[in-house]
Amino acid sequence: KAGVTQTPRYLIKTRGQQVTLSCSPISGHRSVSWYQQTPGQGLQFLFEYFSETQRNKGNFPGRFSGRQFSNSRSEMNVSTLELGDSALYLCASRARGGAPETQYFGPGTRLLVL
Amino acid sequence: AQKVTQAQTEISVVEKEDVTLDCVYETRDTTYYLFWYKQPPSGELVFLIRRNSFDEQNEISGRYSWNFQKSTSSFNFTITASQVVDSAVYFCALRTIYNFNKFYFGSGTKLNVKP
Repeated sequence: KAGVTQTPRYLIKTRGQQVTLSCSPISGHRSVSWYQQTPGQGLQFLFEYFSETQRNKGNFPGRFSGRQFSNSRSEMNVSTLELGDSALYLCASRARGGAPETQYFGPGTRLLVL
Repeated sequence: AQKVTQAQTEISVVEKEDVTLDCVYETRDTTYYLFWYKQPPSGELVFLIRRNSFDEQNEISGRYSWNFQKSTSSFNFTITASQVVDSAVYFCALRTIYNFNKFYFGSGTKLNVKP
């Protein structure tokens, strides 16, 4: 079974631009979560989607948004990029979104904002 | 409130040494799940183990072992006879049944294994 895939793997943008990151979960998984990882803040939860609905959201500004499609693929969008948005963005999936389920992570997208 | 603390920011050992990574968690929930992940330089978090709060049995998988103690709210990870390939950042994480859509991660411990 293929793992979680994320595209693109690397991205360079300039301040003020917007960016869209894509995540394809493990086949059959319906829950997708997004995390931002920076050296200073560590791993921070952005949001989780389940069956096309956002179930929970972390403490990020409204510039960060996401969506999930009927095939469980998810996209994350960041508008009006700031230098501080430079980070590794990780996507994770689990089967039905239940508490005991293991979350499997993708390789991440490294975003650099200049 | 839920919280995971990994007090060791960075550990350096020489190959073949044993090393223990500490994880202390906080939660008032009686049902919860603890996880360990490994993050090599490539960036992807690799799942290592999951434990539920009702199972305090220690687990061994090859050179890896985990010691779960509810009395001290700790879930420590030991690597026996460390190898250079074990060099990575290791994260401990907590999820509770009442907030099951959120993962609480520790800040991670960077392990350097030198040849």
